[in-house]
Amino acid sequence: GAVVSQHPSRVICKSGTSVKIECRSLDFQATTMFWYRQFPKQSLMLMATSNEGSKATYEQGVEKDKFLINHASLTLSTLTVTSAHPEDSSFYICSARDLKGQSYNEQFFGPGTRLTVL
Amino acid sequence: QKEVEQNSGPLSVPEGAIASLNCTYSDRGSQSFFWYRQYSGKSPELIMFIYSNGDKEDGRFTAQLNKASQYVSLLIRDSQPSDSATYLCAVILAKGTYKYIFGTGTRLKVLA
Repeated sequence: GAVVSQHPSRVICKSGTSVKIECRSLDFQATTMFWYRQFPKQSLMLMATSNEGSKATYEQGVEKDKFLINHASLTLSTLTVTSAHPEDSSFYICSARDLKGQSYNEQFFGPGTRLTVL
Repeated sequence: QKEVEQNSGPLSVPEGAIASLNCTYSDRGSQSFFWYRQYSGKSPELIMFIYSNGDKEDGRFTAQLNKASQYVSLLIRDSQPSDSATYLCAVILAKGTYKYIFGTGTRLKVLA
């Protein structure tokens, strides 16, 4: 149980285009999902907390107009990178909390999306 | 001072040895602690979590938490080459929030 999927797993796009990444909890309901970004040889940096039915909470320094987050249902959150530029190239990972799980604090991670902006 | 600190390594241990990974955190009010393993190009996978002071064992892994000294460690017994990965410590800093703060990770190399 507690499986989180992400789509796409890899995307290459031209500078200036927008890219949407989906994060789904497959076998549980997730009122809270998290979006992380990881640059090479660095740790995961939390970008935003996504709450179902409400606006996302962004971490300091993350542009909310550039990284649009929508959490429309209990099993789906999306991250849209608008007008992507090469410096946005990174590994984007989502995670979700299972409120009914054995460890309610635990986050279950998706497999990640590798974004390359040319 | 960073909120969660780990030695970046690499930590090299011979196969069969015990690998000891350490993590310190700055907020004394931190509640929950997690160890994740991350292989290159993959997302993190949970090894174990610990909430209370003391030791918690799961197979070859033992997590140790000392809230007074504000550190949490992970011991890997009988280390295998397949354990070679980056180990991330994650801490939930304050009660009522569920945000992880990750350490920089420690790269472990188990030498065959």
